[in-house]
Amino acid sequence: KNQVEQSPQSLIILEGKNCTLQCNYTVSPFSNLRWYKQDTGRGPVSLTIMTFSENTKSNGRYTATLDADTKQSSLHITASQLSDSASYICVVSEGGGSYIPTFGRGTSLIVHP
Amino acid sequence: EPEVTQTPSHQVTQMGQEVILRCVPISNHLYFYWYRQILGQKVEFLVSFYNNEISEKSEIFDDQFSVERPDGSNFTLKIRSTKLEDSAMYFCASRLGVNGANVLTFGAGSRLTVL
Repeated sequence: KNQVEQSPQSLIILEGKNCTLQCNYTVSPFSNLRWYKQDTGRGPVSLTIMTFSENTKSNGRYTATLDADTKQSSLHITASQLSDSASYICVVSEGGGSYIPTFGRGTSLIVHP
Repeated sequence: EPEVTQTPSHQVTQMGQEVILRCVPISNHLYFYWYRQILGQKVEFLVSFYNNEISEKSEIFDDQFSVERPDGSNFTLKIRSTKLEDSAMYFCASRLGVNGANVLTFGAGSRLTVL
C-alpha cells in the first residue's frame, strides 16, 4: 500500500530561523513528489514539484531535496517568516498511468516572533 | 493567475439532506478532482474526472456521492443524503494534463457542516 510519512508532526520555531521538514514514501512506481503549503482553512498551494531525475529544487526561501534511492525528501525553509506558519504537505504520485497522489498528513509549522 | 473557485465557502445542513458543492476549474484544464479533509486529518482523494466521465474513485466515493460537469465550466459534487461524518472541507482541484504539467491547482475549499 502506498504511504507517505512526514516528520515532525508539528514544529515551533522563532522568526528568522531555518528548519527542515522530512518526508518518507513507499509509493511505487514513482512519478513525482510535490510539497504543498496549506494555510488554515485554505486549499493547498504547490511549492515545488520534483521528478525522478531531480534531486533539488528551490522556490525562493523553500528548497526541496529528493533521494529517489532511499525514497526520502526534505523541505528546507530559510530565514522563516511569520507567514510561513502553515501545514506543509508532501504528496507523491504514482507513475504508470494512474494519477492518484498519496498525501502525507502534513507538518504543522508555527513561526513565533 | 488563474484560480479554481469553489462555492459555497461554508454550508451547514441537516443530516439526510442533499448537498451540492460547486467548482469552476481553470478554463483550459482537462482533469478535475474532488478531495476532502476532515478536521485535523490528511487530505483524502475522492474522485477524478476526465473527458466527461469518472476516471478513478476511492472507496470513500460510494453511491451517496456523484459528480457532474453540467456545462463547459462547472464541476459539481453532490452528496445525496448527508451523514454526520461527511462534515469536512471539500477541495476541488484541476490540472492541465499535458506531459509534465501535473501540478494540481486547488480551490480554497467548501466547508460542509452536517448537524
